[in-house]
Amino acid sequence: DIQMTQSPSSLSASVGDRVTITCRASQAISNYVAWFQQKPGKAPKSLIYGASTLQSGVPSKFSGSGSGTDFTLTISNLQPEDFATYYCQQYNSHPFTFGPGTKVDIK
Amino acid sequence: QVQLVESGGGVVQPGRSLRLSCAASGFTFGSYAMHWVRQAPGKGLEWVAMISYDERDKYYGDSVKGRFTVSRDNSRNTLYLQMTSLRAEDTAVYYCARDPGGATIDYWGQGTLVTVSS
Repeated sequence: DIQMTQSPSSLSASVGDRVTITCRASQAISNYVAWFQQKPGKAPKSLIYGASTLQSGVPSKFSGSGSGTDFTLTISNLQPEDFATYYCQQYNSHPFTFGPGTKVDIK
Repeated sequence: QVQLVESGGGVVQPGRSLRLSCAASGFTFGSYAMHWVRQAPGKGLEWVAMISYDERDKYYGDSVKGRFTVSRDNSRNTLYLQMTSLRAEDTAVYYCARDPGGATIDYWGQGTLVTVSS
């Protein structure tokens, strides 16, 4: 199975900051990575698929990049509604696997 | 608008069975693959299962393979997850999710809580 790791596991940032979350796959997965946002007590929300394509309705402040084993999610101009936990997921091969998550909270 | 509503969760004893349902509306259910994803209390997301639009292909996570079965009834716009031989570690919120193509996920349900406890 493909293992996904994320760094950092948590970070503190201020409103207006730009933050970057890294996701690494245990083997090459082309660009078959998705990113999700989850707020406490809520269902996840889909942000990005194909490593860099925004889901419909997702603001352009979110961006993704990477290919192979290393991927990043960048959030620009952090706003209060962006404080949440972010997960990456590989869908290159079954079983699909998620990273452990990165919690972004307010500094 | 796309809606996914899970039901069937509750408290069940270890070793027993439970069936979850996910009622879909707002889109042509029979044209989409679907996923189940779960989240144990205070933990991260875990992918559970996937079923193709025509039920021809099914895939499972390692921790549920052989115990859980995913199915669907396209005439009822409903996705199912039959869970057997339940264990304490199956305690989680179970989400159904739509696959718009390419094994990705775009929409999620609100989840249903399954608690396995004696």
